[in-house]
Amino acid sequence: DGGITQSPKYLFRKEGQNVTLSCEQNLNHDAMYWYRQDPGQGLRLIYYSQIVNDFQKGDIAEGYSVSREKKESFPLTVTSAQKNPTAFYLCASADGPTTDTQYFGPGTRLTVL
Amino acid sequence: RKEVEQDPGPFNVPEGATVAFNCTYSNSASQSFFWYRQDCRKEPKLLMSVYSSGNEDGRFTAQLNRASQYISLLIRDSKLSDSATYLCVVNLSGGYNKLIFGAGTRLAVHP
Repeated sequence: DGGITQSPKYLFRKEGQNVTLSCEQNLNHDAMYWYRQDPGQGLRLIYYSQIVNDFQKGDIAEGYSVSREKKESFPLTVTSAQKNPTAFYLCASADGPTTDTQYFGPGTRLTVL
Repeated sequence: RKEVEQDPGPFNVPEGATVAFNCTYSNSASQSFFWYRQDCRKEPKLLMSVYSSGNEDGRFTAQLNRASQYISLLIRDSKLSDSATYLCVVNLSGGYNKLIFGAGTRLAVHP
């Protein structure tokens, strides 16, 4: 089955620890995105990548880092510099950088204790 | 002012009712428009794109008014399974595929 997978579904971490969220897609999509969703707010873009080995900051990149070494993988690291890391993190992909439709993974709910 | 604004609801309606949501956007250069559906604690899923001429998919009708910068979604004959949050999404385009998401309107359909 083609799709986007994110793991883990739930993640608990202590304050001050870095944590890496996984995102994998087998749709052969060039573009991938990371969003954060907080209660009562729309999704906000953290980072995006239009092609392998390239990525750009979104609107709220501070405290996060990414890599895009493989087309199918776009992991997100939440660093200790992120002030309010507890949120629902969503990964998405699109056929190309200018393709309208984005497909989302099931999300990772991160709670920092 | 938020780039995409929606009434958060909730809209509580009985089965079979017709319900309409509106959404306004601030950037007149916006190129394309969508409605996504998000179930509780799940990922958003594309419901439908919105075209200037209006488009219909079964019980769902979407309209775009560029002059007034608003988008609407009409759901006819509501089902219990329609209960979800509906996200209005605008694509600014221009360089890369930047989607701006509204915070969503919650719909609760009751028996």
